[in-house]
Amino acid sequence: RKEVEQDPGPFNVPEGATVAFNCTYSNSASQSFFWYRQDCRKEPKLLMSVYSSGNEDGRFTAQLNRASQYISLLIRDSKLSDSATYLCAVNRGSNDMRFGAGTRLTVKP
Amino acid sequence: ETGVTQSPTHLIKTRGQQVTLRCSSQSGHNTVSWYQQALGQGPQFIFQYYREEENGRGNFPPRFSGLQFPNYSSELNVNALELDDSALYLCASSLGGQGMNTEAFFGQGTRLTVV
Repeated sequence: RKEVEQDPGPFNVPEGATVAFNCTYSNSASQSFFWYRQDCRKEPKLLMSVYSSGNEDGRFTAQLNRASQYISLLIRDSKLSDSATYLCAVNRGSNDMRFGAGTRLTVKP
Repeated sequence: ETGVTQSPTHLIKTRGQQVTLRCSSQSGHNTVSWYQQALGQGPQFIFQYYREEENGRGNFPPRFSGLQFPNYSSELNVNALELDDSALYLCASSLGGQGMNTEAFFGQGTRLTVV
């Protein structure tokens, strides 16, 4: 079993839709959590950190459930520009970061 | 821009050759992590350098080696290249230390093709 698992998708949604991505991690000692966005043939870029209390940044909401070792990302009112691969990242401590394989999102007109 | 730079951006090597990839970390960051990303996969952790010492290693053979310099820039060396080493190599910079759990910022990557 991989340490960080994501639904690979692809998710194909119309503009304006709400879409949710899930991520599970196996290392219970993991200490911090992030979502990254990666455009085709580009480097991953930090989208947002994920806090136990949940956090929101505009149309994006991230949730963490430590008991279930589960992280989620919700995107509301999808835009064409949201099309990308979304990577879940788990920090095991001392910045030892492990990534999921990514979930591909395509937003269509 | 993250301030993390990698060189070269693209590279073609022949099987069996050796390659050195370079990374300059973001100002103020003391930790560099290297990742290998094959097409359609997530980044796979190779190793991390913190204050010039290796500080964790993923499931990669010893022919993958690295070092970190006093200015915290870093190199990744791969010996005896194999076709499966073809991938995007990413360097991530962060402010590390015992108990630190900060965000990591990536360079643009080096795309290595082994033929």
